[in-house]
Amino acid sequence: NAGVMQNPRHLVRRRGQEARLRCSPMKGHSHVYWYRQLPEEGLKFMVYLQKENIIDESGMPKERFSAEFPKEGPSILRIQQVVRGDSAAYFCASSPRSVGGDYNSPLHFGNGTRLTVT
Amino acid sequence: GENVEQHPSTLSVQEGDSAVIKCTYSDSASNYFPWYKQELGKRPQLIIDIRSNVGEKKDQRIAVTLNKTAKHFSLHITETQPEDSAVYFCAASPGTYKYIFGTGTRLKVLA
Repeated sequence: NAGVMQNPRHLVRRRGQEARLRCSPMKGHSHVYWYRQLPEEGLKFMVYLQKENIIDESGMPKERFSAEFPKEGPSILRIQQVVRGDSAAYFCASSPRSVGGDYNSPLHFGNGTRLTVT
Repeated sequence: GENVEQHPSTLSVQEGDSAVIKCTYSDSASNYFPWYKQELGKRPQLIIDIRSNVGEKKDQRIAVTLNKTAKHFSLHITETQPEDSAVYFCAASPGTYKYIFGTGTRLKVLA
């Protein structure tokens, strides 16, 4: 069973360009999370999605950032008009389908996308 | 809002010694507590987890203890080895989709 797949691993963008980060969850997982990590810091929650639904985007800036998880295909985190402060590692995580409202399943993380804005 | 405090931020131990990392959570509804290990440049990986109906769980050299009354939980690594050097994150979840992560502990095992 392949793990959470993220691509690209490294992404370099100039200021003002768009960045698209992709995440394919583990097989059978329908819950996707995006986290941001600055060097030497912890994991900051950005957004939580289920198939075709954004459940909680409270950690994601309202401007320039958007996320989706379509019925078919990977989850996409999109950053428009990137600025130097967007440089970070972006991790996607997935968890299994919830059964009976039990969310207590561990998160499985991808290898991350390291975004550098020049 | 919900918060998880993690201490210490850095920890150096001699190879073979034990290491203890402590976390305190604020949301009394939290009932699931995973620990993740992140090596430099790599993804966080689950190493052990505990649910609120259990006070202690062990897996070889790693153990986690939970004190629900005091709202804290700890990671214990015995007989540390150089490959245990990494950043360790605790997390607390109240049984919803929310996972609140601690700020991490950088563990260095000195050979």
